[in-house]
Amino acid sequence: SQTIHQWPATLVQPVGSPLSLECTVEGTSNPNLYWYRQAAGRGLQLLFYSVGIGQISSEVPQNLSASRPQDRQFILSSKKLLLSDSGFYLCAWDGTGKGYEQYFGPGTRLTVT
Amino acid sequence: ILNVEQSPQSLHVQEGDSTNFTCSFPSSNFYALHWYRWETAKSPEALFVMTLNGDEKKKGRISATLNTKEGYSYLYIKGSQPEDSATYLCAFFYYGGATNKLIFGTGTLLAVQP
Repeated sequence: SQTIHQWPATLVQPVGSPLSLECTVEGTSNPNLYWYRQAAGRGLQLLFYSVGIGQISSEVPQNLSASRPQDRQFILSSKKLLLSDSGFYLCAWDGTGKGYEQYFGPGTRLTVT
Repeated sequence: ILNVEQSPQSLHVQEGDSTNFTCSFPSSNFYALHWYRWETAKSPEALFVMTLNGDEKKKGRISATLNTKEGYSYLYIKGSQPEDSATYLCAFFYYGGATNKLIFGTGTLLAVQP
């Protein structure tokens, strides 16, 4: 069966520091992968999605970036965090190839101080 | 801009009460609507995927209906239990061909008091 891992679970970082969140999927190959964020009082917002290694699409302009160095690994990064980057970050995968059925990881709670 | 709205934002009920929430979504170019249940510190869990107008789905005490012509879906919980406490999210599946994505509402936070 497929499982999705995210780490770390929680993170407190100062403004201006770098960020790296990792997501890995097991039990499937060539999944579509997604990064979402839920900021306080807002819905889950799609940040990035990837249909394959090295293929990244950005949904929202921001100071975050994503990379997919391996088939089942998706990384969310920032060179300099802003206070507004605080939120709950979720990684998801979809095995249909169409984004139709998405399964979520346990998430990372990021607090930027 | 595609907008998905959920109401109420939060709901506090007593154990045994039945409750329902609403999800509003664009009625044009409908493909599918998803309901998720999201407990604190856990992954959102898929409850239902609804695709046809008039669809009605049920899982235990939870059921959902869909009206694609007017762009709304209701989620019902019969006889709420404390373990039903969670945020309930709906998501509109936007089928854009090259860019397919789920557009989420802000969720309804349900708290069930024993």
